[in-house]
Amino acid sequence: DAGVIQSPRHEVTEMGQEVTLRCKPISGHNSLFWYRQTMMRGLELLIYFNNNVPIDDSGMPEDRFSAKMPNASFSTLKIQPSEPRDSAVYFCASSLESQSYQETQYFGPGTRLLVL
Amino acid sequence: LAKTTQPVSMDSYEGQEVNITCSHNNIATNDYITWYQQFPSQGPRFIIQGYKTKVTNEVASLFIPADRKSSTLSLPRVSLSDTAVYYCLVGDPRLKTSYDKVIFGPGTSLSVIP
Repeated sequence: DAGVIQSPRHEVTEMGQEVTLRCKPISGHNSLFWYRQTMMRGLELLIYFNNNVPIDDSGMPEDRFSAKMPNASFSTLKIQPSEPRDSAVYFCASSLESQSYQETQYFGPGTRLLVL
Repeated sequence: LAKTTQPVSMDSYEGQEVNITCSHNNIATNDYITWYQQFPSQGPRFIIQGYKTKVTNEVASLFIPADRKSSTLSLPRVSLSDTAVYYCLVGDPRLKTSYDKVIFGPGTSLSVIP
């Protein structure tokens, strides 16, 4: 299994530009999570999908952020327009939601975003 | 949501056993305790999960006292490669909406010294 795949691994852009981060969850997993990590705020949950449906996006910072999951094998997190304070590492994670309590999240390698 | 408290950082020499304690005084009846490990420039990785007493796997042991208000992650004979941040999380993984409230705190930064 390739694990959770994220692209790009690094992104440098200028303020005001649109940024799109991509995630491919582990095959068979039905839950997908987007996190943001910074030194100041730690690891924050932005949005959580279950069976491709957004369950709670209350962690999304503001309207400039949007996330989609058009199918079970692909999700995007878009920032438009981007701002320097959006600079962070963005992680995608997936898990298999079932009746079992072993709902472990598997994280991708992250996308390191720098907005100049 | 059960809040967790962990030491900010710890140092240990190679070969020693390391115990990281997490306090979760308001843990709910259905909550499980989960520990993740994060290496620099990588995403967090699941280490161990438990509900009560003791759980052991190939990586670590998790000790949970009867009142479940705290838990201790035990890493036997640490090596330099165990240098990482360790996160303690508390929640009910059976709830379909539990993860919209999962919060990774600052974690414990473990430094293993040669």
